[in-house]
Amino acid sequence: GESVGLHLPTLSVQEGDNSIINCAYSNSASDYFIWYKQESGKGPQFIIDIRSNMDKRQGQRVTVLLNKTVKHLSLQIAATQPGDSAVYFCADALSQGGKLIFGQGTELSVKP
Amino acid sequence: EPEVTQTPSHQVTQMGQEVILRCVPISNHLYFYWYRQILGQKVEFLVSFYNNEISEKSEIFDDQFSVERPDGSNFTLKIRSTKLEDSAMYFCASRGAYSNQPQHFGDGTRLSIL
Repeated sequence: GESVGLHLPTLSVQEGDNSIINCAYSNSASDYFIWYKQESGKGPQFIIDIRSNMDKRQGQRVTVLLNKTVKHLSLQIAATQPGDSAVYFCADALSQGGKLIFGQGTELSVKP
Repeated sequence: EPEVTQTPSHQVTQMGQEVILRCVPISNHLYFYWYRQILGQKVEFLVSFYNNEISEKSEIFDDQFSVERPDGSNFTLKIRSTKLEDSAMYFCASRGAYSNQPQHFGDGTRLSIL
């Protein structure tokens, strides 16, 4: 079946550094991906998305890169802040109806 | 900014009892979803709902589960006879008309089965 996986379950960075969170997917037909941030006790919060006709998309302090050749995407957070500490999930929207397949999540810890 | 709201935030129920989890999706959204997240694990899809019917469901969503949109604003998940393994966070999400629009999630209901 389809799967989405993350390379590292935890990531610890120094405040002000850049963070890179990676994700791999298995379905070569996937055409829409979303990154979510989940803080403790809250639901997944939309950060940024990317369609398969793009290889890069930028938001405010965040960039998503998509490499369809190796079925890999990454989330880059510039100048990481303590408020960025959370679990980050990539999700693959597989079907027209939009069912999301989530990865396992990477817990980002930001050291002051 | 409009948001998805879920009630209650925490539900404690005896095994075998029925439970209804409630959600108010974002008002102009057309697609509605339920997901669950067992403690420490990833978010898992349960069911999607569009045009007053289920459009897709996972193998988790068995005969004990049902969904309903009883009026123009609420979207509910019912578990008929709860089991211990139903204990999890349940998230409602909604999305606009297009498949390349992101789903927006509520903050969930924590369901504890005793």
